[in-house]
Amino acid sequence: GQQVMQIPQYQHVQEGEDFTTYCNSSTTLSNIQWYKQRPGGHPVFLIQLVKSGEVKKQKRLTFQFGEAKKNSSLHITATQTTDVGTYFCAGRPYTEDTDKLIFGTGTRLQVFP
Amino acid sequence: EAQVTQNPRYLITVTGKKLTVTCSQNMNHEYMSWYRQDPGLGLRQIYYSMNVEVTDKGDVPEGYKVSRKEKRNFPLILESPSPNQTSLYFCASSLGLAGANEQFFGPGTRLTVL
Repeated sequence: GQQVMQIPQYQHVQEGEDFTTYCNSSTTLSNIQWYKQRPGGHPVFLIQLVKSGEVKKQKRLTFQFGEAKKNSSLHITATQTTDVGTYFCAGRPYTEDTDKLIFGTGTRLQVFP
Repeated sequence: EAQVTQNPRYLITVTGKKLTVTCSQNMNHEYMSWYRQDPGLGLRQIYYSMNVEVTDKGDVPEGYKVSRKEKRNFPLILESPSPNQTSLYFCASSLGLAGANEQFFGPGTRLTVL
């Protein structure tokens, strides 16, 4: 079936180091969304990318959507302890005319002060 | 305050005992979804609804039922729960298609089936 994998599964960094998580889909996506889930919390929407090759920035966070619309990345510059949490990508398969949304497996980020 | 609420937040039950998890949103959203979250598997969509009386299966619908009689409510029903349905469940709503709009998630319901 359709899958969205994320790597790495876990990442531990020292505060101030950069962090990147990668999202790879087995199928072309209409768009990609990114969510952050703090420990014990619920997913919170960060951003949506729609266009092939699109790059968006939110302060220290940079999001990219691949040219083929099958992969995406989230890069955090100079991590802070407030960045701790699990980051999920989510995409809607291009061929689907339904509202199926497939989430990635998530990357858990731990930041040590 | 715009929000999605779920009840109960925690539930321990036994195999075969029917249960309902309620979900309600106050944002007048047309689209609502249910997800389950399991370690290493991320969030998997169970069912979604694009409008009142319109529901469809997500990726893992087996063992679950939903209904959408009112726009604000989208209950999840487990007719005969089994231990493999032990999980963290999230309800979410969005203004438009979940795949094209920001989803607002509820606080989650942690279900344990013994």
